[in-house]
Amino acid sequence: GAVVSQHPSRVICKSGTSVKIECRSLDFQATTMFWYRQFPKQSLMLMATSNEGSKATYEQGVEKDKFLINHASLTLSTLTVTSAHPEDSSFYICSARDRTSGVNEQFFGPGTRLTVL
Amino acid sequence: RKEVEQDPGPFNVPEGATVAFNCTYSNSASQSFFWYRQDCRKEPKLLMSVYSSGNEDGRFTAQLNRASQYISLLIRDSKLSDSATYLCAVNKGGGADGLTFGKGTHLIIQP
Repeated sequence: GAVVSQHPSRVICKSGTSVKIECRSLDFQATTMFWYRQFPKQSLMLMATSNEGSKATYEQGVEKDKFLINHASLTLSTLTVTSAHPEDSSFYICSARDRTSGVNEQFFGPGTRLTVL
Repeated sequence: RKEVEQDPGPFNVPEGATVAFNCTYSNSASQSFFWYRQDCRKEPKLLMSVYSSGNEDGRFTAQLNRASQYISLLIRDSKLSDSATYLCAVNKGGGADGLTFGKGTHLIIQP
């Protein structure tokens, strides 16, 4: 099956710092990647859609200047949480769609658990 | 009405039993439907896509009812390893492929 990696798996940082999370599709090319976050006991919430070579599309309520997304290649998308605050602590998960597949099946990375002190 | 609704459970089911979950969605423009499985503090793993004609994969059967806007998942001969949270997901439609997830249904298989 399609494999998606994410790095780092866990981050603990001080308030005000920026954190960069990488998402890679390892055995397929992903024109589109998605970023979600999940707070405890809540559902996954889509934050943004990342398209290779173009600007990301953000969901309503997600600040694009705070959550910077770069999708520079068909196998890599990055999410940078700028000036992180404790309320940004969450489980951030990316997913990728195989561009050769006609089905909208998304495969998820293992997630990054962010704790902002 | 929430976009995707699921009964959170927990469903406590004896090993070997059959269990069924339903999920309702509000966006009639959605065209892709999925069941994911999520273990505690892990990422969701795709269990199966759901098609209008229904589909089966081993002990798992999924059905889609577009008229009533719900999807279902049936697990037969449940195993202890089936204990997990089952997430229903639908795409946002209108050309957008991002998924809207339900909160999940927690299943506990008891020996």
